[in-house]
Amino acid sequence: DAGITQSPRHKVTETGTPVTLRCHQTENHRYMYWYRQDPGHGLRLIHYSYGVKDTDKGEVSDGYSVSRSKTEDFLLTLESATSSQTSVYFCAISESGIFTEAFFGQGTRLTVV
Amino acid sequence: QKEVEQDPGPLSVPEGAIVSLNCTYSNSAFQYFMWYRQYSRKGPELLMYTYSSGNKEDGRFTAQVDKSSKYISLFIRDSQPSDSATYLCAMSVDYQLIWGAGTKLIIKP
Repeated sequence: DAGITQSPRHKVTETGTPVTLRCHQTENHRYMYWYRQDPGHGLRLIHYSYGVKDTDKGEVSDGYSVSRSKTEDFLLTLESATSSQTSVYFCAISESGIFTEAFFGQGTRLTVV
Repeated sequence: QKEVEQDPGPLSVPEGAIVSLNCTYSNSAFQYFMWYRQYSRKGPELLMYTYSSGNKEDGRFTAQVDKSSKYISLFIRDSQPSDSATYLCAMSVDYQLIWGAGTKLIIKP
């Protein structure tokens, strides 16, 4: 899958706890994205990065933060998980930021109880 | 009203049938129109994309865009059980990508 690894693949956590999801790439692509996928909503962009330490918000960024200290790793943190953040999270990478060139990871299924 | 509307299905058809999947949209500024396939428990993968009205063909798949009606379609000919998946449309404007909710397709052997 184009050198993208998401970890963990599954996680159950309690409301109010912090959670960090990791996206690791071996393609040396500049752009990395975090999406969430919920029934009836398709994919929605949470945050994206256009380089090391360069990040910006997407359409559903409230309650999430990101960090990118190395080209290959993009971390998504839920500061205090809520049940509304139960979702499937996908990481995507793109060499030039062109959507038609983006590849997606396998996803992380997060359940907040 | 969502910018991109897509019937969630499921759509169930017999093997060998022609499948038609559709999306409607409201933003006339959309520039690129994409179709993704997503197998269960996997990430989306790009099938086809186009940026103009008309048809684009790739093997058994044909993508059609009608900008005047704000309507896009994906046709699958000679459908196979391996085509069973969720198909998502997505459209881009500037640096945004807006997704449909996906249609679940089931091809019965």
